[in-house]
Amino acid sequence: GAVVSQHPSWVICKSGTSVKIECRSLDFQATTMFWYRQFPKQSLMLMATSNEGSKATYEQGVEKDKFLINHASLTLSTLTVTSAHPEDSSFYICSARGGSPQETQYFGPGTRLLVL
Amino acid sequence: GQNIDQPTEMTATEGAIVQINCTYQTSGFNGLFWYQQHAGEAPTFLSYNVLDGLEEKGRFSSFLSRSKGYSYLLLKELQMKDSASYLCAAMDSNYQLIWGAGTKLIIKP
Repeated sequence: GAVVSQHPSWVICKSGTSVKIECRSLDFQATTMFWYRQFPKQSLMLMATSNEGSKATYEQGVEKDKFLINHASLTLSTLTVTSAHPEDSSFYICSARGGSPQETQYFGPGTRLLVL
Repeated sequence: GQNIDQPTEMTATEGAIVQINCTYQTSGFNGLFWYQQHAGEAPTFLSYNVLDGLEEKGRFSSFLSRSKGYSYLLLKELQMKDSASYLCAAMDSNYQLIWGAGTKLIIKP
């Protein structure tokens, strides 16, 4: 159990385009989903936390107008990187958690974004 | 402030035992998580401790001392596939995970 999927796994796009990444909990209802970013050889950086049906809470320094998060259902959250630039190239990972805040976060496989 | 400390890198031999330590300082505490992350992949959950003591799960065990703000992950009978980064994360009073930078474990034959 506790499977989280992400799509796509790889994205290569031109600078200025927008990219949407989907995160799905396949076998449980994810009340809360998290979006992380990880640059090579660096630690995970939490970008935002989203609860189903609510606006996402962004971490300090993360532009909410650039990284649009939608958590419309208990099994799906999306992250849209708007007007992507080369510095946005990174490994984006979502995680999902069930109803209790102490429950384990399970991670999706991640999405590698390369902006040319 | 909130802080997690764990060694940057450790080396061990195949078949041996290794202990990865983690100390934490958080505002409140709701448990300690260990994740494994292979290079180029997302983290996978290994263990969760909220009470003092040792939790054993196959070749991996995790220990917690709340009074000392200390945890360790113990890996036995090391295999080459255990080469990965091991992430320690403490959950604070707001149920936010505070992440360590990870310990890169290198296994040598």
